Amino acid sequence: QSALTQPASVSGSPGQSITISCTGTSSDVGSYDLVSWYQQHPGKAPKLMIYEGSKRPSGVSNRFSGSKSGNTASLTISGLQAEDEADYYCCSYAGSSTWVFGGGTKLTVL
Amino acid sequence: QVTLKESGPALVKPTQTLTLTCTFSGFSLSTSGKRVSWIRQPPGKALEWLARIDWNDDKFYSTSLKTRLTISKDTSKNQVVLTMTDMDPVDTATYYCAHFTGTGFDYWGQGTLVTVSS
Repeated sequence: QSALTQPASVSGSPGQSITISCTGTSSDVGSYDLVSWYQQHPGKAPKLMIYEGSKRPSGVSNRFSGSKSGNTASLTISGLQAEDEADYYCCSYAGSSTWVFGGGTKLTVL
Repeated sequence: QVTLKESGPALVKPTQTLTLTCTFSGFSLSTSGKRVSWIRQPPGKALEWLARIDWNDDKFYSTSLKTRLTISKDTSKNQVVLTMTDMDPVDTATYYCAHFTGTGFDYWGQGTLVTVSS
C-alpha cells in the first residue's frame, strides 16, 4: 500500500486555525471511517490525537478535530498554541488488516 | 497504567536478522481484544506500520515486508517479539511498539534506534 499524502508543512500564528489534509484512495481513507491522527514532538513517540476520523481520546484538547470528505481526511487545530508545533501524521486502515501512515506534516507556529 | 518499552541491538550488520522485544505492562495479551503493533520511523522520515499480533494469536504483516517479518508473543512474560530478516541499511530506523485499540495506537513505547551498518 502507498503512503497517504500530506502537505510537507503548514504554518499559522497563535490563535489562528489550521487544517492538515490527508489524501488516500478509495481503498483506504475513502472506504473506512478509520483514520487516526498523531502528534509527534522532536525526539518523542507519537501521541494519538484523533481516532475513527473524529473522536478525541480522553485528555486531548477539543481544539483538535477531525473530518473526512471522500478520499481526504483532515485535522483542524483551532486556537493555535506554541506547544502545537510538532509533526502530525495521519493513519488509515487499508484493508486486509493492514494500516498505512501519511508522509507527515510539520506544523510551525509563527 | 499502560506502558511499553522496546529493547534490542542498536547496531546490526547487513544481511543479519534483527530481533526486537516489546515488554509491556498494564494489560495482558491473553485478554480478549488486546493487540500490539510494531511501527518504525527512519531518521527524519515518516512512520511505517509493520505488524500486529492479537490476543488470540492472529498475526498481520505489512504487505511489502511480510516475507521478512515474524511477530510472536510470550503472554507469561508480557512480551511481543518482532524479527526482521536480511537487514539492509534502508532498515535503519527507530522501531516502536504500540498498544492498538482496533482503531488507533493509543500507547507507544519510547522507541529504539536500530542502525544497519557494516
